[in-house]
Amino acid sequence: QKEVEQNSGPLSVPEGAIASLNCTYSDRVSQSFFWYRQYSGKSPELIMSIYSNGDKEDGRFTAQLNKASQYVSLLIRDSQPSDSATYLCAVNIARDDKIIFGKGTRLHILP
Amino acid sequence: EAGVTQFPSHSVIEKGQTVTLRCDPISGHDNLYWYRRVMGKEIKFLLHFVKESKQDESGMPNNRFLAERTGGTYSTLKVQPAELEDSGVYFCASSYRGSLYEQYFGPGTRLTVT
Repeated sequence: QKEVEQNSGPLSVPEGAIASLNCTYSDRVSQSFFWYRQYSGKSPELIMSIYSNGDKEDGRFTAQLNKASQYVSLLIRDSQPSDSATYLCAVNIARDDKIIFGKGTRLHILP
Repeated sequence: EAGVTQFPSHSVIEKGQTVTLRCDPISGHDNLYWYRRVMGKEIKFLLHFVKESKQDESGMPNNRFLAERTGGTYSTLKVQPAELEDSGVYFCASSYRGSLYEQYFGPGTRLTVT
């Protein structure tokens, strides 16, 4: 089983709608969870971090964490064409200091 | 505040040649990481420096890869001799000592081995 799994997409969402991105992880003792946004040909940009169960909101972005289900998600409200990118889920592996990335989900916001 | 910078942005070399990639982390960041993304695959961890010390190099593919961080500032990643399968995008990231896992990425170096 891969350590961090994401649906590769593409996920197409109409402008103004809510985009929902999902991620599951295998290491039950993982403690830190991150969402990165990567535009084509650019570097990953950290947009959200979450460390405890529940929701964390930052502007149009909400990260949701459910450790019991080993599930983390990212909601983007009022989606804009500029949100079109690949979203990478990353999880720290508690036994060491590195973070493990998923393959990413390509999001396409339809104007 | 300047972000993480990497040089070169793109390198094309022939199999068997040597290439050295450079990373300058955000000023004051003790933690420096190297990652690689091969086409179609996820970003994979290569190694982690804390200041000038290698904290974890478990992701380094083989002994053709050598990373250094003299003086705890910038880091270099040398590939010698390069093989075709080394092609990919090499990212560097850095973080504060106190926020160990919030890593900020550089623009990457795209390495093409022909």
